[in-house]
Amino acid sequence: GDSVTQMEGPVTLSEEAFLTINCTYTATGYPSLFWYVQYPGEGLQLLLKATKADDKGSNKGFEATYRKETTSFHLEKGSVQVSDSAVYFCALSKGGGSNYKLTFGKGTLLTVNP
Amino acid sequence: DTAVSQTPKYLVTQMGNDKSIKCEQNLGHDTMYWYKQDSKKFLKIMFSYNNKELIINETVPNRFSPKSPDKAHLNLHINSLELGDSAVYFCASSYTGTGVLGYGYTFGSGTRLTVV
Repeated sequence: GDSVTQMEGPVTLSEEAFLTINCTYTATGYPSLFWYVQYPGEGLQLLLKATKADDKGSNKGFEATYRKETTSFHLEKGSVQVSDSAVYFCALSKGGGSNYKLTFGKGTLLTVNP
Repeated sequence: DTAVSQTPKYLVTQMGNDKSIKCEQNLGHDTMYWYKQDSKKFLKIMFSYNNKELIINETVPNRFSPKSPDKAHLNLHINSLELGDSAVYFCASSYTGTGVLGYGYTFGSGTRLTVV
């Protein structure tokens, strides 16, 4: 079945450091790929997405590029802030209609220290 | 306006009790979901409903029973609560028409259930 693998956390960085969170997927066909972010005590919010190979999703300084050849969708940010501390989830969706669902990775906790 | 709202936000109850969590969305989406997030933050789908019809029913104890009175509401009733049911339960909604593979979900803020 479809699956998403994220790098194990937790990840601890200093403010203004470069961030990479690795995400790879296993799926047949052509999934759409997402990054969601969960701030403490809150629900998940869509951070960015890409729907086809070589698409780059970007938002709030975060970027991820859909790489079909390596089945990857790594999240990057050039300079993290304390306010970026959260849990980040990579996810994929495939197919359409009523069976539509997102498959999530296990999440990566990011802590940014001042 | 809150897009996906869940109530209650916190629920503390004793083992063996029956409880319900309610979810409502005002986005006009046609599909709603329940996810369970465990203490390690792992998200697992439990159910999905499309226009009031049960579509996804993962391996969940039959003590959990979803009910969708209309496409804007999806409630979760849990009978005979057990310690292992303690978790955060998230409701989500989405539009699943053709050509919307990149649509994603909109999540509620979660219900933290603690069984003592």
